[in-house]
Amino acid sequence: AQSVTQPDIHITVSEGASLELRCNYSYGATPYLFWYVQSPGQGLQLLLKYFSGDTLVQGIKGFEAEFKRSQSSFNLRKPSVHWSDAAEYFCAVVPSGGYQKVTFGTGTKLQVIP
Amino acid sequence: DTAVSQTPKYLVTQMGNDKSIKCEQNLGHDTMYWYKQDSKKFLKIMFSYNNKELIINETVPNRFSPKSPDKAHLNLHINSLELGDSAVYFCASSQGLDRALVGYTFGSGTRLTVV
Repeated sequence: AQSVTQPDIHITVSEGASLELRCNYSYGATPYLFWYVQSPGQGLQLLLKYFSGDTLVQGIKGFEAEFKRSQSSFNLRKPSVHWSDAAEYFCAVVPSGGYQKVTFGTGTKLQVIP
Repeated sequence: DTAVSQTPKYLVTQMGNDKSIKCEQNLGHDTMYWYKQDSKKFLKIMFSYNNKELIINETVPNRFSPKSPDKAHLNLHINSLELGDSAVYFCASSQGLDRALVGYTFGSGTRLTVV
């Protein structure tokens, strides 16, 4: 079945430490891939997206993500986390071809400790 | 200027009541969506409208009825509210159905609590 999975429900990192949030997908063909961030009490904001080409994509707020076809993964990274990065992060996919509807993963909650 | 605005932000109501949530976008987008986020933060699409035409209608009870008077507005009316309807409802917009790829712009959500 087609799915997008975020294995980590909750991650805690120290401020200034590096961050990697995992996302795996299961689709017949490589879908289009996104990361969104949801701050407390807010809607979702698009961080970055991958359609094709360079497998390392840069986003806003210093985030980047790397697409790895062999692992069906699209992990989000940031070299140095700031306290303001504490939020919920959602990986999302749009299947290539067919009807274009965004399907979200279950989210990873990031806690940043001083 | 808020790009996608939803009202109300909070809604507490009793079971069996009927309520509406309103959404407006000033981005000039022609496609709008309703998503439901449950207590576990799972986001699931409910409806999508493109130029006032219903495009996506997921498996949603027919107590939920969307209405799009124009392409800048998408309202959600819920009849006979049930406890399980408690969730955060997000409105979103994009430019064109095939432009979902460029990403959505989300409203800040309406937290519905049914008691």
